[in-house]
Amino acid sequence: EPEVTQTPSHQVTQMGQEVILRCVPISNHLYFYWYRQILGQKVEFLVSFYNNEISEKSEIFDDQFSVERPDGSNFTLKIRSTKLEDSAMYFCAWVGRPSYEQYFGPGTRLTVT
Amino acid sequence: AQKVTQAQTEISVVEKEDVTLDCVYETRDTTYYLFWYKQPPSGELVFLIRRNSFDEQNEISGRYSWNFQKSTSSFNFTITASQVVDSAVYFCALKGGTGNQFYFGTGTSLTVIP
Repeated sequence: EPEVTQTPSHQVTQMGQEVILRCVPISNHLYFYWYRQILGQKVEFLVSFYNNEISEKSEIFDDQFSVERPDGSNFTLKIRSTKLEDSAMYFCAWVGRPSYEQYFGPGTRLTVT
Repeated sequence: AQKVTQAQTEISVVEKEDVTLDCVYETRDTTYYLFWYKQPPSGELVFLIRRNSFDEQNEISGRYSWNFQKSTSSFNFTITASQVVDSAVYFCALKGGTGNQFYFGTGTSLTVIP
């Protein structure tokens, strides 16, 4: 499976600041996802994205969050006004043809101080 | 409702022992997909296997094997002759036939002691 990049690998930000996390997928990927994992806890679904639209989102994905694929390549997750509890690893994931298996990017560690 | 339960929070075994990680799932969908992922200390999530609900054949890949039992809604994972490199957190996940959301269990932390 081709490698997908996520940038930055680690972001430190102050509470109330906006952050944008980026994922660069491969062209044959079908669905895109964002997940978060608070340290030591389980992986939590945030949102899925298909055909340049949100197809499903969780209760965690409130108005503070947004996703875009602005230029047809990068897939971004924006948190408008970060809170301390947003500190977590954020993973982008994708499902592609023909296997329909889900693979994860290396993750971005977000630390909100 | 979709749910995955991994009742074992932490397991420690001595190298070369066999170990089984349990996964029990709940879903009302007739078609669904089950997954296992490995998360080593470095933090990435590594895909191990996907199983479709209509395929109950067990699978073996090297030292790894998976036992899918629809009758008990379980999808257990066995590592044979464990090695120190197997030390990681292992997550079981479920995707229903409708919707795109993946549901993860809380993970089992496996420590293999040399």
